[in-house]
Amino acid sequence: SQKIEQNSEALNIQEGKTATLTCNYTNYSPAYLQWYRQDPGRGPVFLLLIRENEKEKRKERLKVTFDTTLKQSLFHITASQPADSATYLCALGYSSASKIIFGSGTRLSIRP
Amino acid sequence: GAVVSQHPSRVICKSGTSVKIECRSLDFQATTMFWYRQFPKQSLMLMATSNEGSKATYEQGVEKDKFLINHASLTLSTLTVTSAHPEDSSFYICSGTFSYNEQFFGPGTRLTVL
Repeated sequence: SQKIEQNSEALNIQEGKTATLTCNYTNYSPAYLQWYRQDPGRGPVFLLLIRENEKEKRKERLKVTFDTTLKQSLFHITASQPADSATYLCALGYSSASKIIFGSGTRLSIRP
Repeated sequence: GAVVSQHPSRVICKSGTSVKIECRSLDFQATTMFWYRQFPKQSLMLMATSNEGSKATYEQGVEKDKFLINHASLTLSTLTVTSAHPEDSSFYICSGTFSYNEQFFGPGTRLTVL
């Protein structure tokens, strides 16, 4: 079965620095990969989607890369702010069905 | 973006009772809705996928007779936890989609079974 690993349980970053989160998967590559933000006691909020034939996607201060050879996606937040503190989830989707599989998440803390 | 609501946001019940959770897509028609369960400090685990007007597809290990899902319309899906027990206490989250890309999540329902 597919296994998804996100780099660490928690990541502490100084405000203004770039935060980089990792998502690795085993077995078969997904048709697309998504990143979500989740705040405590809330549902996830969609951030970015990147397809298997795309190398990089950007949205404001966010950047996602997708390397199907390494079976890895990197999620970057540049000029990080304390408001970026949250848990970030990666999720893999397959074209045969609309369901997605979530990774365990990385809790990001941005200190002032 | 598209909005999904859930009701109730919190529920506390006694062991053995049944609890119904509603999931509504407010400004779009959700051809597919998903139900997830999330335990503390863990990720979302997909419980079932439901399409309007048809039976839900349950993930392995999820008891369909215990977690009843009804997707009566393109904007409403309900999850009923039957004969709830303390181990069913969790954060239940639904999502809706109208494409195979982005899912729109509800705010979640915190269920506590005493």
